[in-house]
Amino acid sequence: GENVEQHPSTLSVQEGDSAVIKCTYSDSASNYFPWYKQELGKGPQLIIDIRSNVGEKKDQRIAVTLNKTAKHFSLHITETQPEDSAVYFCAARRDAGNMLTFGGGTRLMVKP
Amino acid sequence: ETGVTQTPRHLVMGMTNKKSLKCEQHLGHNAMYWYKQSAKKPLELMFVYNFKEQTENNSVPSRFSPECPNSSHLFLHLHTLQPEDSALYLCASSQFGTGRGLFFGSGTQLSVL
Repeated sequence: GENVEQHPSTLSVQEGDSAVIKCTYSDSASNYFPWYKQELGKGPQLIIDIRSNVGEKKDQRIAVTLNKTAKHFSLHITETQPEDSAVYFCAARRDAGNMLTFGGGTRLMVKP
Repeated sequence: ETGVTQTPRHLVMGMTNKKSLKCEQHLGHNAMYWYKQSAKKPLELMFVYNFKEQTENNSVPSRFSPECPNSSHLFLHLHTLQPEDSALYLCASSQFGTGRGLFFGSGTQLSVL
């Protein structure tokens, strides 16, 4: 089955700096890669996703890149703000009929 | 607030109690899920229901019993739990076959004494 590794497990940045979280996956047939943000006391919320026919996707200050050959994808957050502090999860899935496999999570702390 | 509502938000129970967790989705989805989130295993899939039929049971102990009476409601019945079952229990829904991700509720924080 699929295996998703996520790094780093914790990340501390200064407000205004960029943050990058990386994930690798094992199943070359995976073609859908969502990212979730989980704030304290809440469930994970989908913030951005990418499919394997696209190399990069951007939404305001967040972007996701995908390297299918190397089987890794990354979340980039620019101009970080304190409200970006949360736990971020990456995930991968083969097709719409399969379950998502989640990474272990990254706790991002943005210091004001 | 999300389209997936879970109650209660917090639950404390003894090992001999019987309780139930409730989930309701208002998104018109046809698949619902139970996940367990703890420090040791951040997001652990427990059960999946597609069109009210259970399609996944990830070797979950029988002290956890799911029920899906319709595509909008999902329950998790708990009995004779162990302290190690203390965790955040998350419900999620999706439209099976469309390729989008999951939509999660806020979870029930369960403490077993």
